Amino acid sequence: DAGVIQSPRHEVTEMGQEVTLRCKPISGHDYLFWYRQTMMRGLELLIYFNNNVPIDDSGMPEDRFSAKMPNASFSTLKIQPSEPRDSAVYFCASSAEGGSVYEQYFGPGTRLTVT
Amino acid sequence: AQSVTQLDSHVSVSEGTPVLLRCNYSSSYSPSLFWYVQHPNKGLQLLLKYTSAATLVKGINGFEAEFKKSETSFHLTKPSAHMSDAAEYFCVVSGGTGKLIFGQGTTLQVKP
Repeated sequence: DAGVIQSPRHEVTEMGQEVTLRCKPISGHDYLFWYRQTMMRGLELLIYFNNNVPIDDSGMPEDRFSAKMPNASFSTLKIQPSEPRDSAVYFCASSAEGGSVYEQYFGPGTRLTVT
Repeated sequence: AQSVTQLDSHVSVSEGTPVLLRCNYSSSYSPSLFWYVQHPNKGLQLLLKYTSAATLVKGINGFEAEFKKSETSFHLTKPSAHMSDAAEYFCVVSGGTGKLIFGQGTTLQVKP
């Protein structure tokens, strides 16, 4: 398997623009997670899905952020409008439901810079 | 509720000397515990996991961790550090319902 795939790897955009980050989880995994990592706040869970259904979005910073998972093999995280404080590395991770293990596999991340 | 505390934000060792990264956990039930590593500008990679089998868990690259219920600890060790071990290390506990709870991370510096 190719692992979790994220695109783009780097994104530079201007404040006010819409940004869409994409993720393809590992085939067969039931859970998908979106994280944000910054120096100031560390690694934060934004939202996660189980069987394409959002389970917990309490980490989503504000209404400018939205996430969708239209099918088992694709998810998007959208920021509209983007702001400089959204600059961070965004990780997608997936895991398979199996007892209490819940080991997550991470993608390489998308480094977002908002100027 | 589940939580983890990494006791050191930064650890510095010389190449060839032992590594000890400390982690304490809190869990209302028998936890699943993990250590993840993140090299600069890379994603997170699973080092090892504890899932209530053997209390001494061996992982990749010579790392191991021991689950001690009486001390609520899950410290990560390696007998001899290598320059390539320099990275950020995260202690993680399963939060139930699929979530993982991450510690704040420990930066490991390896000096030649």
